[in-house]
Amino acid sequence: DAKTTQPNSMESNEEEPVHLPCNHSTISGTDYIHWYRQLPSQGPEYVIHGLTSNVNNRMASLAIAEDRKSSTLILHRATLRDAAVYYCILREYNNNDMRFGAGTRLTVKP
Amino acid sequence: EAGVAQSPRYKIIEKRQSVAFWCNPISGHATLYWYQQILGQGPKLLIQFQNNGVVDDSQLPKDRFSAERLKGVDSTLKIQPAKLEDSAVYLCASSLGSGGAYEQFFGPGTRLTVL
Repeated sequence: DAKTTQPNSMESNEEEPVHLPCNHSTISGTDYIHWYRQLPSQGPEYVIHGLTSNVNNRMASLAIAEDRKSSTLILHRATLRDAAVYYCILREYNNNDMRFGAGTRLTVKP
Repeated sequence: EAGVAQSPRYKIIEKRQSVAFWCNPISGHATLYWYQQILGQGPKLLIQFQNNGVVDDSQLPKDRFSAERLKGVDSTLKIQPAKLEDSAVYLCASSLGSGGAYEQFFGPGTRLTVL
């Protein structure tokens, strides 16, 4: 899988939007961009994924750059429950492998 | 919809002992994964199954770890004998299909402490 780069940590205020960046300059045309998050003492939780177009679901939005070399996970209104480690992962369309990096630790302040 | 179930949630053993973990994936999910997550790191894939066949076990320490998925549903992961460095959270995940188009759903994990 191609490598991703994320900031180690970010802070946000409760009820404000959060933009979590991810760089993946070596992405291939068949790599999907996945986001997972892991709350303390829990297993990772799927957030969203996309290939080329921006995606929205009930949890978040995924904005993918036109050249696909970067993407941004958008939490529209952060809550204390959104405090977690967020992982940006590239996955090939025909490969089950999912390699986690260190992720971004998001802190949400009340 | 029920999620991925794992048991036990916690296990403490002495080194050189054996231990087994159980996973029940989401109903209908053909693909099942086992991950190892050491404290402070992201999960690392150990093995993946497609139905009851092994797709990739390249990162499984086969001298001490084994896994099986009988009848393509439940799976067990065994460590024999355990070493101190095996202390970690063992996560099971499942997905409806294979490849990057499908998301993985994770269980709560089993926290193993080897003394």
